[in-house]
Amino acid sequence: DTVTTQSPLSLPVTPGEPASISCTSSRSLLNSNGYNYLDWYVQKPGQSPQLLIYLGSNRAAGVPDRFSGSGSGTHFTLKISRVEAEDVGVYYCMQAVQTPATFGQGTRLEIK
Amino acid sequence: QVHLVESGGGLVKPGGSLRLSCAASGFTFSAYYMTWIRQPPGKGLEWVSYIASGGNTVFYADSVRGRFTISRDNADHSVYLQMNSLRAEDTAVYYCARAYGAGDSLYGMDVWGQGTTVTVSS
Repeated sequence: DTVTTQSPLSLPVTPGEPASISCTSSRSLLNSNGYNYLDWYVQKPGQSPQLLIYLGSNRAAGVPDRFSGSGSGTHFTLKISRVEAEDVGVYYCMQAVQTPATFGQGTRLEIK
Repeated sequence: QVHLVESGGGLVKPGGSLRLSCAASGFTFSAYYMTWIRQPPGKGLEWVSYIASGGNTVFYADSVRGRFTISRDNADHSVYLQMNSLRAEDTAVYYCARAYGAGDSLYGMDVWGQGTTVTVSS
């Protein structure tokens, strides 16, 4: 199975400061159609997960533009340009280029 | 309003069975892949299974293959997860989510239900 590894696992951030989460895959997530099958999700306290970024770099509907995704192949990054208090939660990357789909361990973002 | 509502969770003894349901509304159900993801208490997310839009293609995580069966009824806008031979390690909140797919590649689970809790304990 494809292993997805996130870092850091804990991320304390001062409001207004940037934040970055890394996701590394044990195999390339670049499909023959040219897309990277890597998504980012956030699970805010007490809520169901929600989609932030799909296919590596595409923001989902309604996601603020302070969130961005980048990377290709086996290395991906989620960036938040200016963290706000509402961004608290656990962030997961998920690869699904081939089943089984696998999630990273999760990165807990907290406000300093 | 796009909506997914899970039901069917509960307390079951090891070796028992449960059938989870997920009712969809507000979108063209038959156009989407549907997935089940679970989250054990205090832990991260684990993908369980998905079914293609037409129902002809299904995949399972190794941990549930042979015990769980996913199915869908496009006329009824519902997806199901039949869970047999349940184990303590199947205890989790189970979410259904809609997804985009092509072949056996998935992406963009953009609508999630609120989850239903399954507890396997004697």
